[in-house]
Amino acid sequence: DTAVSQTPKYLVTQMGNDKSIKCEQNLGHDTMYWYKQDSKKFLKIMFSYNNKELIINETVPNRFSPKSPDKAHLNLHINSLELGDSAVYFCASSSVQGAWVDTQYFGPGTRLTVL
Amino acid sequence: AQSVTQLDSQVPVFEEAPVELRCNYSSSVSVYLFWYVQYPNQGLQLLLKYLSGSTLVKGINGFEAEFNKSQTSFHLRKPSVHISDTAEYFCAVSALSGTASKLTFGTGTRLQVTL
Repeated sequence: DTAVSQTPKYLVTQMGNDKSIKCEQNLGHDTMYWYKQDSKKFLKIMFSYNNKELIINETVPNRFSPKSPDKAHLNLHINSLELGDSAVYFCASSSVQGAWVDTQYFGPGTRLTVL
Repeated sequence: AQSVTQLDSQVPVFEEAPVELRCNYSSSVSVYLFWYVQYPNQGLQLLLKYLSGSTLVKGINGFEAEFNKSQTSFHLRKPSVHISDTAEYFCAVSALSGTASKLTFGTGTRLQVTL
């Protein structure tokens, strides 16, 4: 069984379009994340949700809007796509209880190419 | 604030040779450290983690790492590598941010194992 899944795996689109990436986890975790990996493999956190509540919101253009319909899903919607948005986007999930930091489990990634 | 420095962007090594991938961190709060591996065109897989306790941590695939607080290091080692270990390795430090844990990654080290 896939623990953290993302769809689609590949996404090729034109500049200016709006697109969404979906993420689902079946680990029973209460916290989910989106990370962006650029062409140099650098990984940076974008957002984090806990039980549908936004917890972490890094300096990300407001064209990016995460949506969490329930604690098992965290989708990423991107408006007016730009060339610089081309990257691999990873979803992750973890369980955070009190002061205890647990492992984040990552999805397979979505490679977004903006033409 | 927290940060991670991976001193080597690439490490070439022959099969069955030992390897050490270096990682130094800085953190103003309690330190939780992770090593993740990314095989080509795949997501991130946890190799090992240090949360507390013994400073020598053993992970999957024969890897281990040692937490050294005085040197602020968390170097990854394997006594004998295989071709299949060729991948990108990421060191990360985690800190709680409300009810989420924020992972800050290093820039990655490409381990290239050859015959």
